[in-house]
Amino acid sequence: GAVVSQHPSRVICKSGTSVKIECRSLDFQATTMFWYRQFPKQSLMLMATSNEGSKATYEQGVEKDKFLINHASLTLSTLTVTSAHPEDSSFYICSARFRGPMGYYGYTFGSGTRLTVV
Amino acid sequence: AQTVTQSQPEMSVQEAETVTLSCTYDTSESDYYLFWYKQPPSRQMILVIRQEAYKQQNATENRFSVNFQKAAKSFSLKISDSQLGDAAMYFCAYANWRDMRFGAGTRLTVKP
Repeated sequence: GAVVSQHPSRVICKSGTSVKIECRSLDFQATTMFWYRQFPKQSLMLMATSNEGSKATYEQGVEKDKFLINHASLTLSTLTVTSAHPEDSSFYICSARFRGPMGYYGYTFGSGTRLTVV
Repeated sequence: AQTVTQSQPEMSVQEAETVTLSCTYDTSESDYYLFWYKQPPSRQMILVIRQEAYKQQNATENRFSVNFQKAAKSFSLKISDSQLGDAAMYFCAYANWRDMRFGAGTRLTVKP
């Protein structure tokens, strides 16, 4: 099945530094990648949608200069949290969308990244 | 934007019994997908079941089945013969050509 590898699984960084999270599709081409943020005991909130080779589309209220998304290839998408602050501490999950053999959309999720900013 | 509503923050079921989780959604589109995902403490998203909107037949996956009412925009999940391993957060999700969005989730507890 379609697998997305997300790294790192956990990261602790100092306030003011940047952190990059990678999502790599291992055996399929991810034409679209979704990035979500999940606070404890809450739902997944869509941050942005990125299509390969295009600029990401950000949800209202998400700072595009703070959360940089790159989707330069069909197998790799990255989320960079720039100048991180403690309030950016959260669980970040990527989800890749692909076309199945019958033309339907399939979705697969990374295992998530727990970011702690100290 | 499409919205997904799960009105049951918490549900509890006795082992071997049946439980139904509710989900409603709002959309003006005719072509979309609906999903139920399970999220255990590991926070890995696990697909439980999916339904294509154009299909009238309700999806089933072993002990899991849905009641898809397109006109009412309702998509409930029935878990039969509940097992201890079913305990988790359950999220209802709506997806179209644009993106995928989630409901607030329902925490399911299974009592032995």
